[in-house]
Amino acid sequence: AQTVTQSQPEMSVQEAETVTLSCTYDTSENNYYLFWYKQPPSRQMILVIRQEAYKQQNATENRFSVNFQKAAKSFSLKISDSQLGDTAMYFCAFLTQGGSEKLVFGKGTKLTVNP
Amino acid sequence: NAGVTQTPKFRVLKTGQSMTLLCAQDMNHEYMYWYRQDPGMGLRLIHYSVGEGTTAKGEVPDGYNVSRLKKQNFLLGLESAAPSQTSVYFCASSYWYNQPQHFGDGTRLSIL
Repeated sequence: AQTVTQSQPEMSVQEAETVTLSCTYDTSENNYYLFWYKQPPSRQMILVIRQEAYKQQNATENRFSVNFQKAAKSFSLKISDSQLGDTAMYFCAFLTQGGSEKLVFGKGTKLTVNP
Repeated sequence: NAGVTQTPKFRVLKTGQSMTLLCAQDMNHEYMYWYRQDPGMGLRLIHYSVGEGTTAKGEVPDGYNVSRLKKQNFLLGLESAAPSQTSVYFCASSYWYNQPQHFGDGTRLSIL
């Protein structure tokens, strides 16, 4: 079974600085998808970024980028120029390609951006 | 632009009562999902559906039933509520299994 591990339960960063959230996963599959979701205090889950394992290029979305290391099974999220609105729980999630439609989530990292 | 709508948003039940949570999406998505979120845990999949008329078990299906009679609706039922089912429930939908899931705002359910 696939597992997703987020080793940092809580992190904090100063406004305008850069922070990196870590995520590792365990799988024997070669093709899969990885996601980062954000859950602000309003509780709604919002997609931050998506990565396809067969693509070597790291995904980026404005201030959000990932460092995808397939051999190390690592998928970290970098947030540049942190803003107060980035304060949220961040969840890493894993999905295999074909055969299973089940998205597996990590336990989350609570990020606080301080003014 | 409603997206995914969950009703109700809050509910308190007594042990043994039954209830149904409703999820509706207006994006013509094939896939729909029900998750539960507990403190210190990520989301765990309860049941999901890959199209109208289909349902399948997720990671934690016991004590729950689902139905997808219409493509836009996915219902989650608790036949006999237990305190262990106190949680926040999220519905989500996606166009295809590997596409990003769109989430509702959640339902906070307390079982006394």
